[in-house]
Amino acid sequence: IAGITQAPTSQILAAGRRMTLRCTQDMRHNAMYWYRQDLGLGLRLIHYSNTAGTTGKGEVPDGYSVSRANTDDFPLTLASAVPSQTSVYFCASSDSAASGEKLFFGSGTQLSVL
Amino acid sequence: EDQVTQSPEALRLQEGESSSLNCSYTVSGLRGLFWYRQDPGKGPEFLFTLYSAGEEKEKERLKATLTKKESFLHITAPKPEDSATYLCAVLFQAGTALIFGKGTTLSVSS
Repeated sequence: IAGITQAPTSQILAAGRRMTLRCTQDMRHNAMYWYRQDLGLGLRLIHYSNTAGTTGKGEVPDGYSVSRANTDDFPLTLASAVPSQTSVYFCASSDSAASGEKLFFGSGTQLSVL
Repeated sequence: EDQVTQSPEALRLQEGESSSLNCSYTVSGLRGLFWYRQDPGKGPEFLFTLYSAGEEKEKERLKATLTKKESFLHITAPKPEDSATYLCAVLFQAGTALIFGKGTTLSVSS
């Protein structure tokens, strides 16, 4: 089934540890995004990539980094996790040329930093 | 200051009881307004895109409308399976990605 695959589904992480959340899409979409979703705050953009090889900062980029080496993969790295990074993380993609900014989302990663 | 505000935060309806959800936005230069549905434990799923005031889109029991300041998601004769969180998002002229509201959680009981 075509779409976005995120891994892991959930993770408990000790504060200070490094963690990479994986995101892969098979729709050949040019743009990809990372959002975090917190109760009472909604979805907030962390980082985005309009095309392979380029990335940009969103609303809440501090403590996170991304890379976009190819079209399909867009990993999100927490270099040294802190408890405030406990959240549900969603990866999304879009094909601006074909469907405007319609986003397709993965199923999310539930991350708990203790 | 929130750029996208959804109301109410939560809505409880009886099956068949029609109602509307609101999404208002404060900035100018709208490129598009989007509605998504999110079920518990899942990612948001696209419903509609609206681009200009006066535009309407329909899908089954849902109809989305857009004015210059807000959008409404009308739910006609809802069923329990319509229970979900409905998210509104906007894309502005100078924006690089969607800005989401906090959502309205709809519960429909039979």
